[in-house]
Amino acid sequence: EAGVAQSPRYKIIEKRQSVAFWCNPISGHATLYWYQQILGQGPKLLIQFQNNGVVDDSQLPKDRFSAERLKGVDSTLKIQPAKLEDSAVYLCASSLALSHEQYFGPGTRLTVT
Amino acid sequence: EDQVTQSPEALRLQEGESSSLNCSYTVSGLRGLFWYRQDPGKGPEFLFTLYSAGEEKEKERLKATLTKKESFLHITAPKPEDSATYLCAVQYQAGTALIFGKGTTLSVSS
Repeated sequence: EAGVAQSPRYKIIEKRQSVAFWCNPISGHATLYWYQQILGQGPKLLIQFQNNGVVDDSQLPKDRFSAERLKGVDSTLKIQPAKLEDSAVYLCASSLALSHEQYFGPGTRLTVT
Repeated sequence: EDQVTQSPEALRLQEGESSSLNCSYTVSGLRGLFWYRQDPGKGPEFLFTLYSAGEEKEKERLKATLTKKESFLHITAPKPEDSATYLCAVQYQAGTALIFGKGTTLSVSS
């Protein structure tokens, strides 16, 4: 069974530029999550989708971050404009349904200079 | 205030030297506690879910246990390939976000 796919794996941008990340979850998984992991910290949830509806986006900085999950499958996370403190690994995870085990992708390492 | 605290932050073991990692949580009403392993440059890999005090789960050299306030990840006779960061996460209500600790970085030398 294929795992969670993410691209790109690495991205370097200058502050105030925009960037987008893509995630393809495990086939059949209804729930999709985006996490931010700063070096030395555990992952922190940014947004959670159930199919194509948002379940929790309480920790998403909505002035600069946006995410969508069209058709309830793939998802994109966008940052515009980026700040230095956005440098982190952005992890996508999926689960069969709410409260089931979450399976993570390899992440996208973002460096903002 | 951290809701999930892992200790120690780092642990160095010799191959075969058994030890335990700790995960303590401060809020009552736990729905589930999750253990993940994370290798450098990779996403977290699911290990275990524990739901109630007294529950235990095992996988190869790893055994996870749960009490009302903390969980332990016991590593028996570790090998160098067990070197990784081990993350603990809690979920307080069904369908809500996982809250992760900062992790314990384990290094096992031969």
